[in-house]
Amino acid sequence: AQTVTQSQPEMSVQEAETVTLSCTYDTSESDYYLFWYKQPPSRQMILVIRQEAYKQQNATENRFSVNFQKAAKSFSLKISDSQLGDAAMYFCAYRTGTGANSKLTFGKGITLSVRP
Amino acid sequence: GAGVSQTPSNKVTEKGKYVELRCDPISGHTALYWYRQSLGQGPEFLIYFQGTGAADDSGLPNDRFFAVRPEGSVSTLKIQRTERGDSAVYLCASSLRDRVFSGANVLTFGAGSRLTVL
Repeated sequence: AQTVTQSQPEMSVQEAETVTLSCTYDTSESDYYLFWYKQPPSRQMILVIRQEAYKQQNATENRFSVNFQKAAKSFSLKISDSQLGDAAMYFCAYRTGTGANSKLTFGKGITLSVRP
Repeated sequence: GAGVSQTPSNKVTEKGKYVELRCDPISGHTALYWYRQSLGQGPEFLIYFQGTGAADDSGLPNDRFFAVRPEGSVSTLKIQRTERGDSAVYLCASSLRDRVFSGANVLTFGAGSRLTVL
């Protein structure tokens, strides 16, 4: 079974600075997808960024980028120019690429606070 | 609708009671998922529907939990004889049907139903 590990329970960043959230995963599969979701106090999970395992190029979405190290099974999220609205819980998630509509497996999450 | 709608937003019940939680997915989304999120934890998979049928119910913790999706749209998660350990946020998500051998489609989540069992 696949597992996703987020070992940092909390992180804090100064507004306008850069922060990196760590995630590692364990799988024997070669075809899979990785995601970072944001969960604000409203509880709704919001997709931040997605990475296909077969792509070597790291995904980027505006201020959000990932460092995907397939051999090391590492998938970290970098937030640049942090904003107060970035404060939330962030979850790393894994999804197998084989078979239609497989489930997401989530890590325990990390609480990010942004200092003004 | 425009997003995934879940009702009720909050539910408080007593131990031993029966509870139903409703999920209304995005129109046209054939795949529907239920997750349970305990305090301070990540969401845990419960069940996944493709159309009306449960394609994967491996996450249901025991036979007190049951979910239906009779017309392939709205789904109801049913919990019998609730226990204090059932207290959690229950999240629903939907997505378009994936192409075979692709996990590319993104899940859109609702705001969840917070269940408190006293």
